[in-house]
Amino acid sequence: GAGVSQTPSNKVTEKGKYVELRCDPISGHTALYWYRQSLGQGPEFLIYFQGTGAADDSGLPNDRFFAVRPEGSVSTLKIQRTERGDSAVYLCASSLNPQGLTFFGQGTRLTVV
Amino acid sequence: GENVEQHPSTLSVQEGDSAVIKCTYSDSASNYFPWYKQELGKRPQLIIDIRSNVGEKKDQRIAVTLNKTAKHFSLHITETQPEDSAVYFCAASIHGNEKLTFGTGTRLTIIP
Repeated sequence: GAGVSQTPSNKVTEKGKYVELRCDPISGHTALYWYRQSLGQGPEFLIYFQGTGAADDSGLPNDRFFAVRPEGSVSTLKIQRTERGDSAVYLCASSLNPQGLTFFGQGTRLTVV
Repeated sequence: GENVEQHPSTLSVQEGDSAVIKCTYSDSASNYFPWYKQELGKRPQLIIDIRSNVGEKKDQRIAVTLNKTAKHFSLHITETQPEDSAVYFCAASIHGNEKLTFGTGTRLTIIP
């Protein structure tokens, strides 16, 4: 596609529920990243995929967060037992290779009520 | 891990004047420093970047300088225009560990 695409753009969920956030990277980009951005803050790294494998998941806050990229393209970020503190904009980004320029998607605004 | 500090948090500049935003980083192994512009409700957009083998890079009205010894880098915007109003983020990464560590952002307002 022309850019990084994320769906949904907005998601409201109740505390304790499970959510999935989808990212479709730029075609041909092998590196994919998830970041989380709270209001008034810079993006915070969550996880980085090179191809299908998670090369660095050191930013995932706890075991309620999990991400997959089974075919090396689309990625899904999964959050179990959501908490109000999980409310933020979840940004996906991709780059042609790990040393390439990183382009961000529009983000998914997650609100846990 | 890497820590990036960014100043100022807010900056108001008269249209046509220059704006400077400064960042410092902690890890001397960092070697890639991009700058992103984020308008309200929009995605961060890469506007310029610099790698550690150069000290300065320019792209029209935007320039970035890097001082590796002091571990700081700066964004310079000249001849500012109203459309430059946005939040600007600096970031740093270490080769081989491709995650970006971002600063806390600078809200730039251009006064017409």
